[in-house]
Amino acid sequence: EVQLVQSGAEVKKPGESLKISCKGSGYSFTSYWIGWVRQMPGKGLEWMGIIYPGDSDTRYSPSFQGQVTISADKSISTAYLQWSSLKASDTAMYYCVRPRVGATFDYWGQGTLVTVSS
Amino acid sequence: DIQMTQSPSSLSASVGDRVTITCQASQDISNYLNWYQQKPGKAPKLLIYDASNLETGVPSRFSGSGSGTDFTFTISSLQPEDIATYYCQQYDNLPSWTFGQGTKVEIK
Repeated sequence: EVQLVQSGAEVKKPGESLKISCKGSGYSFTSYWIGWVRQMPGKGLEWMGIIYPGDSDTRYSPSFQGQVTISADKSISTAYLQWSSLKASDTAMYYCVRPRVGATFDYWGQGTLVTVSS
Repeated sequence: DIQMTQSPSSLSASVGDRVTITCQASQDISNYLNWYQQKPGKAPKLLIYDASNLETGVPSRFSGSGSGTDFTFTISSLQPEDIATYYCQQYDNLPSWTFGQGTKVEIK
């Protein structure tokens, strides 16, 4: 059974750094892209970017380029989303997703709630 | 970037009603369009892929159609468990994939 299990909720202050994770299991982690989707409180879905763990090829939505870093450690089947300096506007639920093909996201993580507040 | 205009933003219908949601792309995206359902507090779920293909295990009352710039998502007979927000998503060219703004479906 394919599963994406994300790290737990985080509460951070503006300016702090953060790295959240998404562990894939039940499939060949290096053979599928894995991406991230943001959902701000009460708002819609926004696609952030995606990585191919097999060769670390990474693509970012123009809206998120330079704002976050996506990485993966194939030795532990885990993808990461990180910020170097959080802002209050980064407060959101973040989902990792695994596309079957293209951007057909057939598997989703349970979500990680990130709260940034002074 | 390709913009997706989804409408309506919300709707209220009775159990058994036919519900239709539309999504319009700012340029031709062929059939590179998916539909997702998100229930409160849950991760989204894929319902329709490539504009008109029903995901395995999804009830047949859900359907999708369209190609190019105009797409339609239909619930043929609304059920109480269909209360959710529905999103279209285009994936014509990486990295500029985008979601529609969402349609919140409620029971009248």
